[in-house]
Amino acid sequence: KAGVTQTPRYLIKTRGQQVTLSCSPISGHRSVSWYQQTPGQGLQFLFEYFSETQRNKGNFPGRFSGRQFSNSRSEMNVSTLELGDSALYLCASSLKGTQETQYFGPGTRLLVL
Amino acid sequence: AQSVTQPDIHITVSEGASLELRCNYSYGATPYLFWYVQSPGQGLQLLLKYFSGDTLVQGIKGFEAEFKRSQSSFNLRKPSVHWSDAAEYFCAVGGAGANNLFFGTGTRLTVIP
Repeated sequence: KAGVTQTPRYLIKTRGQQVTLSCSPISGHRSVSWYQQTPGQGLQFLFEYFSETQRNKGNFPGRFSGRQFSNSRSEMNVSTLELGDSALYLCASSLKGTQETQYFGPGTRLLVL
Repeated sequence: AQSVTQPDIHITVSEGASLELRCNYSYGATPYLFWYVQSPGQGLQLLLKYFSGDTLVQGIKGFEAEFKRSQSSFNLRKPSVHWSDAAEYFCAVGGAGANNLFFGTGTRLTVIP
């Protein structure tokens, strides 16, 4: 089975712009979670989607949003980018989402200038 | 509150030596525990997990971890380290009712010849 894929792998944006990141889960997986990884804050949970519904949300401002499509692919959007949004954004998928292993993609590295 | 502590930011070991990476967690319910490894510029790869049952769990690449409820610990061990084990290691905790993982700050492992 193919693993979790994320596109694009690298992005450079400027402050104030918005960005959309994409994640394709492992075939058959219906839960997709997003994490932000920075040197200062480490790995932090953003949100989780299951069957096109946001099921859980971390402590991030409303500028961070996401959605999931009927084929379980997910996108996350960050509006009005700030310098502090520079990070590695990781997507993880699992079958049902609870009590299960999450499998991570390679991440999208976002640089905000 | 949920949290994971990895007290060692950086560990250096000689190739062939044994390794133990420490992880302590705080979680209000039955914890699900994970160890992930991250190579530079890559996503997270699952090494092993503990959900229930035998408290000594075996993982990939010769790693094992032991869950000690009384000490709230889930330390990772390997009897003989290989140069290819150099990477960053993350301990994470999750629960039954949600799919958000709480990660430790990571331990960077350097292996010297």
